[in-house]
Amino acid sequence: NAGVTQTPKFQVLKTGQSMTLQCAQDMNHEYMSWYRQDPGMGLRLIHYSVGAGITDQGEVPNGYNVSRSTTEDFPLRLLSAAPSQTSVYFCASKEVGQDGYGYTFGSGTRLTVV
Amino acid sequence: RKEVEQDPGPFNVPEGATVAFNCTYSNSASQSFFWYRQDCRKEPKLLMSVYSSGNEDGRFTAQLNRASQYISLLIRDSKLSDSATYLCVVNSGGFKTIFGAGTRLFVKA
Repeated sequence: NAGVTQTPKFQVLKTGQSMTLQCAQDMNHEYMSWYRQDPGMGLRLIHYSVGAGITDQGEVPNGYNVSRSTTEDFPLRLLSAAPSQTSVYFCASKEVGQDGYGYTFGSGTRLTVV
Repeated sequence: RKEVEQDPGPFNVPEGATVAFNCTYSNSASQSFFWYRQDCRKEPKLLMSVYSSGNEDGRFTAQLNRASQYISLLIRDSKLSDSATYLCVVNSGGFKTIFGAGTRLFVKA
């Protein structure tokens, strides 16, 4: 089983460029989310989705867009990259209502904005 | 005040030692609690859920104290392979899940 797959693993962007981080899961999980992880700050929720066609903002949504057209895919779009968006991005999924099972994370995307 | 706070460490312990981490949370309505393990430059992985009665998984024991709003993780007989960052995770209902910044553990031979 692939679990949660993120691409790319590394990316360098110039300020002002846009890009899409891809996330796909094959576990038929209804819930998917994007986090960013910065040193000393823990993971912070950017956006999440509880099913196809349903998305909502997390703690730090500014500068990011998401859509959920299928259960499997949840791409994260950076509209106009800024150095403050340099971070490690993780996509995660879980079954709705199954809190005890926790989240399954992708392997992460390391993004540098110069 | 952060919603979930952990001692960042690092904790440096010899092999075979017992080490304990604490984590405090501010929302008294929090409903579920977890410990995740994160290896260097890798994704977090669920280590164990934390139940009110306390629970054990091999060398790992997790405790929850709702009155004092903290959870703990005890690792007995530490192995070199236990070296990692341990994340405290608290869910306050719905999809509001807060991750602590993590406690770094180094186990040395």
